[in-house]
Amino acid sequence: EVQLVESGGGLVKPGGSLRISCAASGFTFSSYYMNWVRQAPGKGLEWVSSISSSSNYIHYADSVKGRFTISRDNAKNSLYLQMSSLKAEDTAVYYCATRTPGNYDYWGQGTLVTVSS
Amino acid sequence: DIQMTQSPSTLSASVGDRVTITCRASDSISTWLAWYQQKPGKAPKLLIYKASSLDNGVPSRFSGGGSGTEFTLTISSLQPDDFATYYCQHYNSYWWTFGQGTKVEIK
Repeated sequence: EVQLVESGGGLVKPGGSLRISCAASGFTFSSYYMNWVRQAPGKGLEWVSSISSSSNYIHYADSVKGRFTISRDNAKNSLYLQMSSLKAEDTAVYYCATRTPGNYDYWGQGTLVTVSS
Repeated sequence: DIQMTQSPSTLSASVGDRVTITCRASDSISTWLAWYQQKPGKAPKLLIYKASSLDNGVPSRFSGGGSGTEFTLTISSLQPDDFATYYCQHYNSYWWTFGQGTKVEIK
């Protein structure tokens, strides 16, 4: 069974930092692009960042460029998002997700990040 | 950057109705479009990829169409389980772009 399990969310003050993680199992994690997608409370879906299978290609949404860093450890089947200079508007549920070339689509259950003083 | 615009933002309908949601891309995206269904507190669920291909296990009352800049998601006969929010998504090898969502409500 495929599983993506996010962790590390919580309450952080504006200007602070947080690292969230995504543990993958049940599929060949090292073969696929991975993404972070977020959803602010009561709002729509926003793609945040993606990373290629070997970490050679990395992309960010303009809203997080220069503040967030995506990384992965294929030996640990894990995806990470290091978030710094956090703002109130970064408050959201953060999902890790992927769609394989065969159109298998996998999402985690999400982890809530709250930025508030 | 390509922008995705959905309409309407909210749709009120009854069980058994045929409903259509439209998604427009700011530039041609061929058929690199997916549709998702999301219910409160849950991760999005893929319904359709490549504009018109139904994902495994998705009921046949869902269908997708279009290419280039204009796309549709149609539910042929709305069922109680279909009241949810629907998102279109442009995807390529590198990033995703979502529409703002369409909430399908009970009339």
